[in-house]
Amino acid sequence: EAGVTQFPSHSVIEKGQTVTLRCDPISGHDNLYWYRRVMGKEIKFLLHFVKESKQDESGMPNNRFLAERTGGTYSTLKVQPAELEDSGVYFCASSRDFYNSPLHFGNGTRLTVT
Amino acid sequence: DQQVKQNSPSLSVQEGRISILNCDYTNSMFDYFLWYKKYPAEGPTFLISISSIKDKNEDGRFTVFLNKSAKHLSLHIVPSQPGDSAVYFCAASAGSSNTGKLIFGQGTTLQVKP
Repeated sequence: EAGVTQFPSHSVIEKGQTVTLRCDPISGHDNLYWYRRVMGKEIKFLLHFVKESKQDESGMPNNRFLAERTGGTYSTLKVQPAELEDSGVYFCASSRDFYNSPLHFGNGTRLTVT
Repeated sequence: DQQVKQNSPSLSVQEGRISILNCDYTNSMFDYFLWYKKYPAEGPTFLISISSIKDKNEDGRFTVFLNKSAKHLSLHIVPSQPGDSAVYFCAASAGSSNTGKLIFGQGTTLQVKP
């Protein structure tokens, strides 16, 4: 089966601009997660979708971040306006079940805000 | 507040020897633990997991040990191979929550020398 796909792999934008990241989960996986790794530190949870509903968005840094999951399929994460501290690698992951089920990660989008 | 800690940023071992990676956690509600391996420019890949009802889980060269009283887990790789060189992340989740979000440690970079 195809893995989790993220696009783009890299994005370089200026402070104040808008960027939209896309994630296509593994087919049949109702659970979709966004994570972020900043400056080589730990991978931090941002939010969790179950199908098209936000189950947990406690990790979203602020209201400049907007995540959507249209029709319970692919998801987008928009940052508007971008700030320097938003730079990092954004990972998407999916799983069939949310309890005691490993997450399958994409290769990430490396975002650089200059 | 770092709930999952990997206190060793790096580890270097000789090919064929044992690699032991350690992880400590503080949240007693965690009941599912995982290890992920990450190569540069790739997403984390699931390696092995353990439920809190067990104290050991083995999969080929990889064994995870869980010591609940000490809130400590470790990953043993025997024998270590150069292809095992990567960043290893420990992660935990709490089944009592309504989401399967994982809390990650900072990662340990393992280098296996030929």
